[in-house]
Amino acid sequence: GNSVTQMEGPVTLSEEAFLTINCTYTATGYPSLFWYVQYPGEGLQLLLKATKADDKGSNKGFEATYRKETTSFHLEKGSVQVSDSAVYFCALLQAGTALIFGKGTTLSVSS
Amino acid sequence: KAGVTQTPRYLIKTRGQQVTLSCSPISGHRSVSWYQQTPGQGLQFLFEYFSETQRNKGNFPGRFSGRQFSNSRSEMNVSTLELGDSALYLCASSLDRSGYEQYFGPGTRLTVT
Repeated sequence: GNSVTQMEGPVTLSEEAFLTINCTYTATGYPSLFWYVQYPGEGLQLLLKATKADDKGSNKGFEATYRKETTSFHLEKGSVQVSDSAVYFCALLQAGTALIFGKGTTLSVSS
Repeated sequence: KAGVTQTPRYLIKTRGQQVTLSCSPISGHRSVSWYQQTPGQGLQFLFEYFSETQRNKGNFPGRFSGRQFSNSRSEMNVSTLELGDSALYLCASSLDRSGYEQYFGPGTRLTVT
C-alpha cells in the first residue's frame, strides 16, 4: 500500500542554518505530495504542495521538489529562524483517498 | 473568514464511557475529514464526510462513528472508550472532495483514564 517515510528527528539547528528534511514515498500511480507543519498546541497547516513530477512547491522560504525518479519530496530552507521550530509532516494523496502522513520530524531552532 | 473550530479542546473520560466531538468547518466547505494523532501511530485517517454522507473510512473499529449535518458541521463519536483511544483528534475541512486544500482545526485532546 501507499506509505510515506520521513527522517527521524529531532533535528536541532542554529538560527540561519540550512535545513533539509528527507521524505520518500511509496505509491502506485501519481500521487500529490504535501508538507504540513504543526506548531505547539495547534492543528496542521499546509506549508506547500506539488501535484506532478518535477513540480516545485514553495512557501515562506521553504521549498520541495517532486522527484518521481527517486520517489522523494525533500523539504529545504536556506536559513531557518527560531519561529520555524515545529513538527513537519510529509504526506501524499491519491485521488479518491485520504491523506497519508509520515511520522513527522521535530525541528528545534536555537538563537 | 473563521477557521475550522473544534469543541471541546480538552476532554477527560473514563474507560467504558462514550464521547462526542464536534467540528465546524470553514464557511462554504462541504467536506470534513477526521484524523487521530498519537505518538505511536502518528496521524491516521478516520473518515470523511461530504454532503452528509460518509465517503471514505479508515481502518478503525466500529466504536468510532461520525455524522455530518446539513450545515456541514460534523460530529464523531467513540463508544466504549479504551485507554488506547487517548489521542489528539483533528478535523479538516475542504471545499470539495479533492483533498488538495485541507484546513485543519486545533484538535480535541482526549484523555481516557
